[in-house]
Amino acid sequence: QGQLQESGPGLVKPSQTLPLTCDISSFSINSFYSWAWVRQAPGQGLEWIGTLSHSGSADYNPSLKSRVTISGDRSRNDFSLKLNSVTASDTAVYFCVRVVSVPGSGDYFDPWGQGTLVTVSS
Amino acid sequence: DIQMTQSPSFLSASVGDRVTMTCRASQSVATYLNWYQQKPGEAPKLLISGASNLQSGVPSRFSGSGSRTYFNLLISRLQVEDFGTYFCQQSFSSPRTFGRGTKVELK
Repeated sequence: QGQLQESGPGLVKPSQTLPLTCDISSFSINSFYSWAWVRQAPGQGLEWIGTLSHSGSADYNPSLKSRVTISGDRSRNDFSLKLNSVTASDTAVYFCVRVVSVPGSGDYFDPWGQGTLVTVSS
Repeated sequence: DIQMTQSPSFLSASVGDRVTMTCRASQSVATYLNWYQQKPGEAPKLLISGASNLQSGVPSRFSGSGSRTYFNLLISRLQVEDFGTYFCQQSFSSPRTFGRGTKVELK
């Protein structure tokens, strides 16, 4: 099973941009899979941020859509998340995931990266 | 958005117990329903997709059932390694949404 690995700053100041990258290792960004970001605030549930499809189009959670960009880099075989104008409520563990689509059964998130904690604080 | 409601939020059980938890969707999601297990400090792990499809490597004591708005996850004989939090998630429509989880703890 391939692995995913998130990287980025552990601390971001309020109003700034949160940048994260996901190294998809043995997978290929050019494959027919989609790729997504999910976050989990401390002690809370899971929130889907958005998905980058294999065609290059992105679908975002409406609650974050005005502030988020997910894009892929074929040369580096990774994909990234940018979240603008962050506040303390964006403090969370951010996971990158592969999205597997199954005709007639929807899709699911597997595998997951280990997650990276991003704290928004001055 | 489709709201996913899990119950109970917390359950206390013993090794060997039969454990059932429920996930309800605010509207039909057909069988586009996944279950994940998360242990403290770890990423969630996919257990079941499409409401009832057990993932490779997941013990057969786990099973999922249901359709449309009502789903169950059953652990037939709880083992020590099964303690953690279980989340359901719908993939019927965007935005993808998760339940708030059922935390299974040792009695």
